[in-house]
Amino acid sequence: IAGITQAPTSQILAAGRRMTLRCTQDMRHNAMYWYRQDLGLGLRLIHYSNTAGTTGKGEVPDGYSVSRANTDDFPLTLASAVPSQTSVYFCASSADPMTDTQYFGPGTRLTVL
Amino acid sequence: GESVGLHLPTLSVQEGDNSIINCAYSNSASDYFIWYKQESGKGPQFIIDIRSNMDKRQGQRVTVLLNKTVKHLSLQIAATQPGDSAVYFCAENIRGGGSYIPTFGRGTSLIVHP
Repeated sequence: IAGITQAPTSQILAAGRRMTLRCTQDMRHNAMYWYRQDLGLGLRLIHYSNTAGTTGKGEVPDGYSVSRANTDDFPLTLASAVPSQTSVYFCASSADPMTDTQYFGPGTRLTVL
Repeated sequence: GESVGLHLPTLSVQEGDNSIINCAYSNSASDYFIWYKQESGKGPQFIIDIRSNMDKRQGQRVTVLLNKTVKHLSLQIAATQPGDSAVYFCAENIRGGGSYIPTFGRGTSLIVHP
């Protein structure tokens, strides 16, 4: 059982390029989340999805989009990357959005030059 | 201790000592709180949670205390071990949009000396 997997592990990207960070969970959790973690700022919620087919905005959604076509996958897309999006990105999932403990993936380290 | 909004503090302890990590949360409407542990290069890992209708909850070697009057949360780790060295985050959760929207503190770095 893998839990939550993220890809790529790390990426260096030129500004202006499009990038999709992948997240897959095999726990059949209903809810999924994307966070960014910056030194000194902690984890900040970008977008979330309570169930397949629905998404919502978190604290810092600008410049990012998500989709939730099925239960397992929750990709995060940067349409046109900017240096301020340099960060470590964590995907998380929880069985029930109303309760609940979130389980985190290993993270993707993204550098935008 | 830490506060949602302050720089990352550090707590250094000797192996075998008890550790107390503090967290001040900001929103009196928060009704669910979680402590996470994050080791270097890894994602956060759930430790223990507590709901606002409780003031204390115990797990294995860990205890969380909640004081809603002063909006304060603490994590107590008994007999701290070198493997406990990590950054510890508290998260306050406010129900919104049909889900809990967490706000994370910036973390406290726990260093355990053998």
